[in-house]
Amino acid sequence: DAKTTQPPSMDCAEGRAANLPCNHSTISGNEYVYWYRQIHSQGPQYIIHGLKNNETNEMASLIITEDRKSSTLILPHATLRDTAVYYCIVRNHGSSNTGKLIFGQGTTLQVKP
Amino acid sequence: DGGITQSPKYLFRKEGQNVTLSCEQNLNHDAMYWYRQDPGQGLRLIYYSQIVNDFQKGDIAEGYSVSREKKESFPLTVTSAQKNPTAFYLCASSGLPDPNEQYFGPGTRLTVT
Repeated sequence: DAKTTQPPSMDCAEGRAANLPCNHSTISGNEYVYWYRQIHSQGPQYIIHGLKNNETNEMASLIITEDRKSSTLILPHATLRDTAVYYCIVRNHGSSNTGKLIFGQGTTLQVKP
Repeated sequence: DGGITQSPKYLFRKEGQNVTLSCEQNLNHDAMYWYRQDPGQGLRLIYYSQIVNDFQKGDIAEGYSVSREKKESFPLTVTSAQKNPTAFYLCASSGLPDPNEQYFGPGTRLTVT
């Protein structure tokens, strides 16, 4: 699975959009981009995933660049409860995939009032 | 309510003792996973099981053992051979409708002194 690079920390004002970037320049054609978040002392929570088209669900939007070498997770109206560590993970869906998720250090998002 | 439960939330043991962490899911998922998280770090895979009565070592299996006798249960034993057992342990499962999305339990924080 390709490696990802994320900024270690970001701040966002409550009510504003939070844009979290992720670089995955070595991503291959069958690898998906996944985002999870982990609120302090809890288990990670799945947010969204995509292959090449932009995706949106009730939690967030995922924008993937045309060359797929980077992506941005957007929380449209951040709240204090969105303060967490956000992990960008790249993995393929092939039969050889064990299901293992490779978590890097992630981005600590601090939403401020 | 479907989900994954881990118990207890906090566990304290003396060095040299084996300890078993519980993980139960009622999501009817085939695959289950155990991860370890150290302070400020991402998650690392200990063991995983893609089907009942079968399991494989992850990246850091030494000093740990598992069993998968029932679909719903995947207990992890931290043995006295594990050199640095103090950590946050997370269990996850995945299955239909999206086998690529993992659901995590709340975690067990193990402290060995």
